[in-house]
Amino acid sequence: GNSVTQMEGPVTLSEEAFLTINCTYTATGYPSLFWYVQYPGEGLQLLLKATKADDKGSNKGFEATYRKETTSFHLEKGSVQVSDSAVYFCALSGQKGYSTLTFGKGTMLLVSP
Amino acid sequence: GAGVSQSPSNKVTEKGKDVELRCDPISGHTALYWYRQSLGQGLEFLIYFQGNSAPDKSGLPSDRFSAERTGGSVSTLTIQRTQQEDSAVYLCASSLVEVAFFGQGTRLTVV
Repeated sequence: GNSVTQMEGPVTLSEEAFLTINCTYTATGYPSLFWYVQYPGEGLQLLLKATKADDKGSNKGFEATYRKETTSFHLEKGSVQVSDSAVYFCALSGQKGYSTLTFGKGTMLLVSP
Repeated sequence: GAGVSQSPSNKVTEKGKDVELRCDPISGHTALYWYRQSLGQGLEFLIYFQGNSAPDKSGLPSDRFSAERTGGSVSTLTIQRTQQEDSAVYLCASSLVEVAFFGQGTRLTVV
């Protein structure tokens, strides 16, 4: 079955540091890949997505590239801000829109001034 | 409404009681998901509804859990004879194609 593995947190960084959160997956077929973010006290919201190999999703300075050869979708940001402190979830969907979403366990990011 | 709405936002119940959690998805979304978020456990899939198809119940942890979706819209998750290990945040999401939109969740505490 499908599975997603994320690096364990918390990841602790200083403001303006470079961020990488690793995500690898196991799936049959050609999944779509997502990063969701959960800010303190808020619900989950989509951060970015990629639907096929070599696609790059980007939003709010975050980027992730769909790497089929390494089955990875690592999240990166060049310069983090305190406001980026949140829990980040990597997820995949099987056939487009017609399957359950499989999530990783989440990685907490803490950014200090 | 504009987003996925869940009620109640918080629920405290006594062990052994039944609870019902409600989800109003985004209008027109054909897919509806229930997940459970426990501390240290990430997001655990519970059940998935897609249109008029039979729901995927493979994530329900026991027969005390059940869910229905009436008229392809509102969904209710029912937990019978609640146990302390059922304490968690229950999240509902809906989607039209593949991007899932989540509600704020219902925090269930079983005492």
